[in-house]
Amino acid sequence: DGGITQSPKYLFRKEGQNVTLSCEQNLNHDAMYWYRQDPGQGLRLIYYSQIVNDFQKGDIAEGYSVSREKKESFPLTVTSAQKNPTAFYLCASSSRQGWDTQYFGPGTRLTVL
Amino acid sequence: GENVEQHPSTLSVQEGDSAVIKCTYSDSASNYFPWYKQELGKGPQLIIDIRSNVGEKKDQRIAVTLNKTAKHFSLHITETQPEDSAVYFCAVRPGGYQKVTFGTGTKLQVIP
Repeated sequence: DGGITQSPKYLFRKEGQNVTLSCEQNLNHDAMYWYRQDPGQGLRLIYYSQIVNDFQKGDIAEGYSVSREKKESFPLTVTSAQKNPTAFYLCASSSRQGWDTQYFGPGTRLTVL
Repeated sequence: GENVEQHPSTLSVQEGDSAVIKCTYSDSASNYFPWYKQELGKGPQLIIDIRSNVGEKKDQRIAVTLNKTAKHFSLHITETQPEDSAVYFCAVRPGGYQKVTFGTGTKLQVIP
């Protein structure tokens, strides 16, 4: 059963703590992406990776970090430097580089207490 | 960068009626235009897409039309059903295979 999985579905964090969101895909896609979605708003790009061991900042990378050590995995760390981290986080992947068709995971809702 | 505007932000239709959502973009070299449906608490799901060498594409009750001259494209849903209620996002890939930009979304409500 191919697809993109994100875990956990809900995540609660205290202020000042770092937290890592998981994203895994078994679609053999080269490119992976992280987006942030706030209520009533569109999708804003945090980071993207077009190939293993390489990643680029998106529009709102401050306070976030990523790694891409394996083709199927692209974890996102929300650091304590992110001033307003409460949001819905979406991971996506596409088969090729060049921003081809993106397929999304189910999302992780992060709440900072 | 690419500028994408999506209208309307909310849309209510009676079951069985048609719904139309429109997006405009700024880069005339844009070459790929997907539409996503997002149900509450879930990730967006690709429902249809169109590339710049095609003017229209249909998939059952869903169609997308592209007007490259006017730089806009539209999602058409016919014979709407309550399960069509969701938020719909358009997206645009500018020329040169650059970063995809998403619209701000349209919340569609289908009233039974």
